[in-house]
Amino acid sequence: DAGVIQSPRHEVTEMGQEVTLRCKPISGHNSLFWYRQTMMRGLELLIYFNNNVPIDDSGMPEDRFSAKMPNASFSTLKIQPSEPRDSAVYFCASKRQGGNTIYFGEGSWLTVV
Amino acid sequence: DQQVKQNSPSLSVQEGRISILNCDYTNSMFDYFLWYKKYPAEGPTFLISISSIKDKNEDGRFTVFLNKSAKHLSLHIVPSQPGDSAVYFCAASAPNQAGTALIFGKGTTLSVSS
Repeated sequence: DAGVIQSPRHEVTEMGQEVTLRCKPISGHNSLFWYRQTMMRGLELLIYFNNNVPIDDSGMPEDRFSAKMPNASFSTLKIQPSEPRDSAVYFCASKRQGGNTIYFGEGSWLTVV
Repeated sequence: DQQVKQNSPSLSVQEGRISILNCDYTNSMFDYFLWYKKYPAEGPTFLISISSIKDKNEDGRFTVFLNKSAKHLSLHIVPSQPGDSAVYFCAASAPNQAGTALIFGKGTTLSVSS
């Protein structure tokens, strides 16, 4: 069975450019999470969706960040405009209804120069 | 304000000895706790979990202990192996009507030397 699939795996972009990260959750999972990993803050929850509806976006750092989940099998995290401090690994994860364990993708490594 | 804290950024242990990783939490509403393991360039993977109704859960070499009164949990690895070298994240969740999100600590890097 396919796990959570993220793209791109690596992205290097210039400050001010738009960045779009993509995620396909595990089929049948109804909750989707975006996390960001940095040395300083560890794994931070940015936003999560339940049945495609955003439930909690209090972790989204600024208005430059936005996330969408147009259907059960796809989500995007967009940063516009990007800044060097956005450089981090962004993880998408999903969970089935009623479960406690979330399953992570391999991450998108973002570098903003 | 961190709700899940892993106060030791790193731990070094010799192969065959016990590794003990610690985690503290502040939110008394948390009712489920998990440990994840992360290798470089990979996503975190689930290792072991425990419900707040238990104080111990064991799976092979891995045991998690929960002390609710102290709001503390620990992961014991016995015996430690070089392949256990990774970053270990403690995570917690609270009941939520619309689904639950895990709150993670900053992680502890375990190094097991042969």
